[in-house]
Amino acid sequence: NSKVIQTPRYLVKGQGQKAKMRCIPEKGHPVVFWYQQNKNNEFKFLINFQNQEVLQQIDMTEKRFSAECPSNSPCSLEIQSSEAGDSALYLCASSWDRNTGQLYFGEGSKLTVL
Amino acid sequence: QQKVQQSPESLSVPEGGMASLNCTSSDRNFQYFWWYRQHSGEGPKALMSIFSDGDKKEGRFTAHLNKASLHVSLHIRDSQPSDSALYFCAASERVPGTGSNRLTFGKGTKFSLIP
Repeated sequence: NSKVIQTPRYLVKGQGQKAKMRCIPEKGHPVVFWYQQNKNNEFKFLINFQNQEVLQQIDMTEKRFSAECPSNSPCSLEIQSSEAGDSALYLCASSWDRNTGQLYFGEGSKLTVL
Repeated sequence: QQKVQQSPESLSVPEGGMASLNCTSSDRNFQYFWWYRQHSGEGPKALMSIFSDGDKKEGRFTAHLNKASLHVSLHIRDSQPSDSALYFCAASERVPGTGSNRLTFGKGTKFSLIP
């Protein structure tokens, strides 16, 4: 059973709507990643944090994507104006070390944009 | 060109059989490699990592790394129904200026048992 908790499991949005996903990392893990997995199972790295600080992020094309990991609150990933191409499984993962490749993934939030 | 390439795209073996999954990288900046497994409806789970040349065995799974050719393989022996899943090779590289690593995933191999 995943100890990384992602909510909601499923999201259905119309084009142009906001979509927000949340993630509670595994207890004690300071590093959080967001990946997008498309219908062809391809992974795309989006952003990662150590505590509240952004370590790396992609261009977050068109600035429609935003993410944060506030202290004492779940991490979140938000798409400001959803597009059909955003339909995918959004995976949150946490790690106890920024240098290790061992990520502990949640079950994901599956976004469908109609 | 994808930095991490996996083959085959899909693979089926009889229960109890052996399977070999392959992964090749085109980037010598990758420091080490991971194999992840994803069952339907779940998130990926780490199986094992390897960063030294040679073999690494964990139970029924053996990973092999050839650093010179940047080739990694995963061998599954005595395949079980629970092994049916997507298998991803992932390479870890240091991202300059961040003090942290990042994983780049291949497209995966769909592994299933022949009924």
